Amino acid sequence: EVQLVESGGGLVQPGGSLRLSCAASGLTLSDHYMDWVRQAPGKGLEWVARIRNRDRRDTTEYAASVKGKFTISRDDSQNSLFLHMTSLKTEDTAVYFCARAAGDRDGHYYVAYWGQGTLVTVSS
Amino acid sequence: DIQMTQSPSSLSASVGDRVTIKCRASQGITTHIAWFQQKPGKAPKSLIYAASTLQSDVSSRFSASGYGTDFSLTITSLQAEDFATYYCQHYHTYPLTFGGGTKVEIK
Repeated sequence: EVQLVESGGGLVQPGGSLRLSCAASGLTLSDHYMDWVRQAPGKGLEWVARIRNRDRRDTTEYAASVKGKFTISRDDSQNSLFLHMTSLKTEDTAVYFCARAAGDRDGHYYVAYWGQGTLVTVSS
Repeated sequence: DIQMTQSPSSLSASVGDRVTIKCRASQGITTHIAWFQQKPGKAPKSLIYAASTLQSDVSSRFSASGYGTDFSLTITSLQAEDFATYYCQHYHTYPLTFGGGTKVEIK
């Protein structure tokens, strides 16, 4: 059974940094495209970042709102996904979900399976 | 960036009703759209990808269609467990973007 378990959320001051983790079981992360998606309190979903699989050399994509501030990475020895967040602002307050993507018949990748999320609160 | 416009933003329906949610992309995305269901306090669940393909664990009450810019998700014979918020998302290009969501409430 596939499981994605996020951790590392919490309260951080504006301007601070935080690293989120997503531990995977039942799948090998390096074989998959992986995403981070966030949801501000009471709001909709916002895609944050993607890392491609090892075959695609772990290349990354980011939403404009986080580019240059957030870094998505993977540690294959831990089978874990990370999101390193810097220069945090109050508007980064959200539940952060890690998700596994899958490819459709056209070779485009959609979000297929979600973790339960971890809450990040940016406040002084 | 491709914008995804969902309608309606909310609707009220009764158990047994047929419900349709629409999603319009600001430019053509062929069939690169997915649909998700989210219940309060829970993670989203993937329902459909490639515009019309159901995930393996999704009830056949759910169906979806569309191509290019106009898409729809239909729930036939709404059940109590279907009351939730539904989101569309395109995955045609980066950045991936979601629609604003449609909250399906009990009438």
